[in-house]
Amino acid sequence: GQSLEQPSEVTAVEGAIVQINCTYQTSGFYGLSWYQQHDGGAPTFLSYNGLDGLEETGRFSSFLSRSDSYGYLLLQELQMKDSASYFCAVRTGANNLFFGTGTRLTVIP
Amino acid sequence: DVKVTQSSRYLVKRTGEKVFLECVQDMDHENMFWYRQDPGLGLRLIYFSYDVKMKEKGDIPEGYSVSREKKERFSLILESASTNQTSMYLCARGQGDSPLHFGNGTRLTVT
Repeated sequence: GQSLEQPSEVTAVEGAIVQINCTYQTSGFYGLSWYQQHDGGAPTFLSYNGLDGLEETGRFSSFLSRSDSYGYLLLQELQMKDSASYFCAVRTGANNLFFGTGTRLTVIP
Repeated sequence: DVKVTQSSRYLVKRTGEKVFLECVQDMDHENMFWYRQDPGLGLRLIYFSYDVKMKEKGDIPEGYSVSREKKERFSLILESASTNQTSMYLCARGQGDSPLHFGNGTRLTVT
């Protein structure tokens, strides 16, 4: 079967750095994506790693190691508005994106 | 601004009813998707369509069917709704390797 594992909940302090890990076991792998979802909202795309290494977009960075079947999302200079759920997702085929169960991030003052 | 529009934000239906969830995209993208989202289970793919009248089963297609008569519209059909289909349903569209753009979701309650 296929699986993506990520922590269910993370709490961090405003201004701090937090890392959300994702390990995967899938039948195919074309890349790892991260999506953010605020309560009551739609998931929105954050980042994509097709190759090993670090991708940086502003305060957010994402990392992939295909040999370890592992990636992470790094959020720096946390803000209250970063409180949301974060999903890793593996592209397993041309048209299939397999999602993890999500990590609920709570940022506290 | 990309738009994926789901016709209803909330729906309440009775067990056994036939339910239609509608989704419309404003781009000319071939690929459209239906996911359901449940607490602790993340987003699970029900069906996707890669062109008009073309469809593929996702991970959890049982109890669902889809219709895509026009490129911009992708419908999810519950032939006979059951309580275990109470969920949040999310439609999305995408093209190739581009990110998925989701609609705001339809929260369906089956009583």
